[in-house]
Amino acid sequence: DIQMTQSPSSLSASVGDRVTITCRASQTINNYLNWYQHKIGKAPNLLIYSASSLQSGVPSRFSGSGSGTDFTLTITSLQPEDFATYYCQQSYDAPWTFGQGTKVEI
Amino acid sequence: EVQLVESGGDLVQPGGSLRLSCTASRFTFSNFEMNWVRQAPGKGLEWVSYISASGGSKFYADSVQGRFMISRDNARNSLYLQMNNLRVEDTGIYYCARLTRGSDYCPAADHWGQGTLVTVSP
Repeated sequence: DIQMTQSPSSLSASVGDRVTITCRASQTINNYLNWYQHKIGKAPNLLIYSASSLQSGVPSRFSGSGSGTDFTLTITSLQPEDFATYYCQQSYDAPWTFGQGTKVEI
Repeated sequence: EVQLVESGGDLVQPGGSLRLSCTASRFTFSNFEMNWVRQAPGKGLEWVSYISASGGSKFYADSVQGRFMISRDNARNSLYLQMNNLRVEDTGIYYCARLTRGSDYCPAADHWGQGTLVTVSP
Protein backbone atom coordinates (compact mmCIF):
# COMPACT_ATOMS: atom_id res chain seq x y z
CA ASP A 1 0.00 0.00 0.00
CA ILE A 2 1.08 3.58 -0.66
CA GLN A 3 1.72 5.53 2.55
CA MET A 4 0.95 9.24 2.68
CA THR A 5 2.81 11.37 5.23
CA GLN A 6 1.64 14.90 5.97
CA SER A 7 3.50 17.56 7.88
CA PRO A 8 3.00 19.23 10.15
CA SER A 9 0.25 17.35 12.00
CA SER A 10 -0.97 20.68 13.38
CA LEU A 11 -0.11 24.32 13.16
CA SER A 12 -1.15 27.62 14.69
CA ALA A 13 -1.64 30.59 12.40
CA SER A 14 -3.31 33.96 12.27
CA VAL A 15 -5.73 35.50 9.84
CA GLY A 16 -3.75 36.80 6.90
CA ASP A 17 -0.89 34.33 7.28
CA ARG A 18 0.50 32.19 4.47
CA VAL A 19 0.22 28.49 5.34
CA THR A 20 2.01 25.58 3.70
CA ILE A 21 1.22 21.90 4.25
CA THR A 22 3.33 19.15 2.73
CA CYS A 23 2.45 15.60 1.75
CA ARG A 24 4.88 12.87 0.78
CA ALA A 25 3.96 9.59 -0.89
CA SER A 26 5.94 6.41 -0.28
CA GLN A 27 6.18 5.91 -4.05
CA THR A 28 5.47 7.96 -7.15
CA ILE A 29 1.75 8.58 -7.68
CA ASN A 30 1.73 10.26 -11.10
CA ASN A 31 0.18 13.47 -9.64
CA TYR A 32 -2.96 11.56 -8.57
CA LEU A 33 -3.04 13.67 -5.44
CA ASN A 34 -6.07 15.41 -3.98
CA TRP A 35 -6.49 17.83 -1.07
CA TYR A 36 -9.59 18.01 1.11
CA GLN A 37 -10.72 20.38 3.84
CA HIS A 38 -12.75 18.94 6.71
CA LYS A 39 -14.58 20.82 9.41
CA ILE A 40 -16.09 19.10 12.45
CA GLY A 41 -19.68 18.06 11.84
CA LYS A 42 -19.53 18.76 8.12
CA ALA A 43 -18.80 16.78 4.99
CA PRO A 44 -15.24 16.96 3.62
CA ASN A 45 -14.72 19.43 0.79
CA LEU A 46 -12.51 18.88 -2.27
CA LEU A 47 -10.05 21.74 -2.71
CA ILE A 48 -7.43 20.55 -5.20
CA TYR A 49 -7.35 17.56 -7.55
CA SER A 50 -4.61 16.22 -9.79
CA ALA A 51 -2.04 17.88 -7.49
CA SER A 52 -2.61 21.42 -8.76
CA SER A 53 -6.09 21.85 -10.25
CA LEU A 54 -8.41 24.09 -8.25
CA GLN A 55 -11.86 22.60 -7.74
CA SER A 56 -14.72 24.75 -9.01
CA GLY A 57 -15.98 27.17 -6.38
CA VAL A 58 -12.86 26.99 -4.20
CA PRO A 59 -11.24 30.36 -3.48
CA SER A 60 -8.06 31.14 -5.39
CA ARG A 61 -6.10 31.58 -2.16
CA PHE A 62 -5.82 27.78 -2.17
CA SER A 63 -3.21 26.25 -4.47
CA GLY A 64 -1.47 22.93 -4.90
CA SER A 65 1.88 22.00 -6.34
CA GLY A 66 4.32 19.16 -6.58
CA SER A 67 4.95 16.01 -8.56
CA GLY A 68 6.20 12.49 -8.16
CA THR A 69 6.18 11.92 -4.43
CA ASP A 70 6.25 15.41 -2.88
CA PHE A 71 3.28 17.75 -2.84
CA THR A 72 2.28 21.02 -1.19
CA LEU A 73 -0.96 22.77 -0.33
CA THR A 74 -0.61 26.52 0.13
CA ILE A 75 -3.16 28.91 1.57
CA THR A 76 -2.25 32.53 0.96
CA SER A 77 -3.81 35.02 3.36
CA LEU A 78 -5.59 32.63 5.74
CA GLN A 79 -9.23 33.51 6.38
CA PRO A 80 -11.34 32.76 9.50
CA GLU A 81 -13.32 30.10 7.61
CA ASP A 82 -10.10 28.24 6.72
CA PHE A 83 -9.51 26.92 10.23
CA ALA A 84 -10.07 23.20 9.69
CA THR A 85 -8.24 19.92 9.14
CA TYR A 86 -6.66 19.31 5.74
CA TYR A 87 -5.99 15.91 4.19
CA CYS A 88 -4.06 14.78 1.18
CA GLN A 89 -5.15 11.59 -0.59
CA GLN A 90 -3.58 9.53 -3.34
CA SER A 91 -5.96 7.98 -5.86
CA TYR A 92 -3.26 6.38 -8.01
CA ASP A 93 -3.41 2.87 -6.63
CA ALA A 94 -5.98 1.13 -4.44
CA PRO A 95 -6.25 1.36 -1.49
CA TRP A 96 -6.60 5.12 -1.96
CA THR A 97 -4.87 6.27 1.19
CA PHE A 98 -5.21 9.57 3.05
CA GLY A 99 -2.53 11.41 4.94
CA GLN A 100 -3.04 11.65 8.69
CA GLY A 101 -4.32 15.22 8.45
CA THR A 102 -3.07 18.69 9.36
CA LYS A 103 -5.15 20.68 11.82
CA VAL A 104 -4.93 24.43 11.23
CA GLU A 105 -5.75 26.30 14.42
CA ILE A 106 -5.88 29.90 15.47
CA GLU B 1 -27.15 20.94 -6.33
CA VAL B 2 -25.90 17.37 -6.07
CA GLN B 3 -27.35 15.58 -3.07
CA LEU B 4 -26.12 12.45 -1.29
CA VAL B 5 -27.94 11.18 1.79
CA GLU B 6 -26.59 8.29 3.85
CA SER B 7 -28.72 6.13 6.13
CA GLY B 8 -28.56 2.87 8.02
CA GLY B 9 -26.07 3.73 10.72
CA ASP B 10 -26.84 2.17 14.08
CA LEU B 11 -25.48 0.64 17.28
CA VAL B 12 -24.47 -2.98 16.70
CA GLN B 13 -22.56 -5.60 18.67
CA PRO B 14 -19.18 -6.93 17.57
CA GLY B 15 -19.66 -9.69 15.02
CA GLY B 16 -22.92 -8.18 13.83
CA SER B 17 -23.93 -6.86 10.42
CA LEU B 18 -25.23 -3.59 9.07
CA ARG B 19 -26.20 -2.28 5.64
CA LEU B 20 -25.60 1.37 4.83
CA SER B 21 -27.41 3.13 2.02
CA CYS B 22 -26.66 6.32 0.13
CA THR B 23 -29.40 7.88 -1.97
CA ALA B 24 -28.28 10.19 -4.75
CA SER B 25 -30.26 12.93 -6.46
CA ARG B 26 -29.88 15.85 -8.83
CA PHE B 27 -27.30 14.17 -11.04
CA THR B 28 -27.17 11.14 -13.33
CA PHE B 29 -26.07 8.58 -10.76
CA SER B 30 -25.39 5.82 -13.30
CA ASN B 31 -22.65 7.94 -14.92
CA PHE B 32 -20.50 8.29 -11.82
CA GLU B 33 -18.09 6.17 -9.84
CA MET B 34 -18.68 6.23 -6.09
CA ASN B 35 -16.84 5.47 -2.90
CA TRP B 36 -17.21 5.17 0.86
CA VAL B 37 -14.92 6.96 3.32
CA ARG B 38 -15.07 6.75 7.12
CA GLN B 39 -13.78 8.64 10.13
CA ALA B 40 -13.30 6.95 13.48
CA PRO B 41 -13.78 9.09 16.61
CA GLY B 42 -10.81 11.41 17.02
CA LYS B 43 -9.09 10.00 13.94
CA GLY B 44 -8.54 11.06 10.35
CA LEU B 45 -10.31 10.13 7.15
CA GLU B 46 -9.96 6.54 5.94
CA TRP B 47 -10.91 5.43 2.43
CA VAL B 48 -13.06 2.28 2.60
CA SER B 49 -14.26 1.19 -0.83
CA TYR B 50 -14.76 2.12 -4.50
CA ILE B 51 -17.25 1.02 -7.14
CA SER B 52 -17.29 1.81 -10.85
CA ALA B 53 -20.27 3.42 -12.56
CA SER B 54 -21.56 0.08 -13.85
CA GLY B 55 -20.76 -1.76 -10.63
CA GLY B 56 -18.40 -4.11 -12.42
CA SER B 57 -15.24 -2.97 -10.65
CA LYS B 58 -14.82 -2.77 -6.88
CA PHE B 59 -11.90 -2.12 -4.53
CA TYR B 60 -11.60 -2.28 -0.75
CA ALA B 61 -9.29 -1.12 2.02
CA ASP B 62 -7.23 -3.90 3.54
CA SER B 63 -8.98 -3.34 6.87
CA VAL B 64 -12.42 -4.26 5.47
CA GLN B 65 -11.52 -6.68 2.67
CA GLY B 66 -13.58 -9.87 3.01
CA ARG B 67 -16.01 -8.31 5.51
CA PHE B 68 -17.55 -5.38 3.63
CA MET B 69 -19.20 -5.40 0.22
CA ILE B 70 -20.00 -2.35 -1.88
CA SER B 71 -22.83 -2.41 -4.40
CA ARG B 72 -25.14 -0.08 -6.27
CA ASP B 73 -28.58 -0.03 -7.87
CA ASN B 74 -28.52 2.51 -10.67
CA ALA B 75 -32.26 2.19 -11.21
CA ARG B 76 -32.82 3.31 -7.62
CA ASN B 77 -29.99 5.91 -7.60
CA SER B 78 -28.56 4.14 -4.59
CA LEU B 79 -25.19 3.04 -3.25
CA TYR B 80 -24.82 0.42 -0.53
CA LEU B 81 -22.24 -0.89 1.89
CA GLN B 82 -22.93 -4.27 3.43
CA MET B 83 -20.82 -4.60 6.57
CA ASN B 84 -20.41 -8.04 8.13
CA ASN B 85 -18.42 -9.34 11.10
CA LEU B 86 -18.19 -5.82 12.48
CA ARG B 87 -15.41 -4.89 14.87
CA VAL B 88 -15.14 -2.16 17.51
CA GLU B 89 -12.60 -0.43 15.27
CA ASP B 90 -15.23 -0.09 12.53
CA THR B 91 -16.96 2.55 14.67
CA GLY B 92 -17.19 5.91 13.00
CA ILE B 93 -18.98 8.20 10.61
CA TYR B 94 -19.39 6.72 7.13
CA TYR B 95 -19.55 9.07 4.16
CA CYS B 96 -20.53 8.27 0.61
CA ALA B 97 -18.88 10.41 -2.03
CA ARG B 98 -19.22 10.91 -5.77
CA LEU B 99 -16.07 10.65 -7.84
CA THR B 100 -15.06 12.86 -10.71
CA ARG B 101 -12.06 12.51 -13.02
CA GLY B 102 -9.62 15.26 -13.95
CA SER B 103 -8.25 15.69 -17.47
CA ASP B 104 -5.43 13.33 -16.50
CA TYR B 105 -8.04 10.82 -15.27
CA CYS B 106 -7.19 11.42 -11.61
CA PRO B 107 -10.25 10.41 -9.52
CA ALA B 108 -11.35 12.80 -6.76
CA ALA B 109 -14.41 12.95 -4.50
CA ASP B 110 -16.21 16.14 -5.50
CA HIS B 111 -19.47 15.71 -3.57
CA TRP B 112 -20.02 14.08 -0.18
CA GLY B 113 -22.97 13.19 1.97
CA GLN B 114 -23.27 14.32 5.58
CA GLY B 115 -22.45 10.85 6.89
CA THR B 116 -24.11 8.18 8.99
CA LEU B 117 -22.83 7.02 12.37
CA VAL B 118 -21.95 3.39 12.97
CA THR B 119 -21.21 2.33 16.53
CA VAL B 120 -19.87 -1.14 17.24
CA SER B 121 -19.91 -1.87 20.93
CA PRO B 122 -20.60 -4.83 23.25
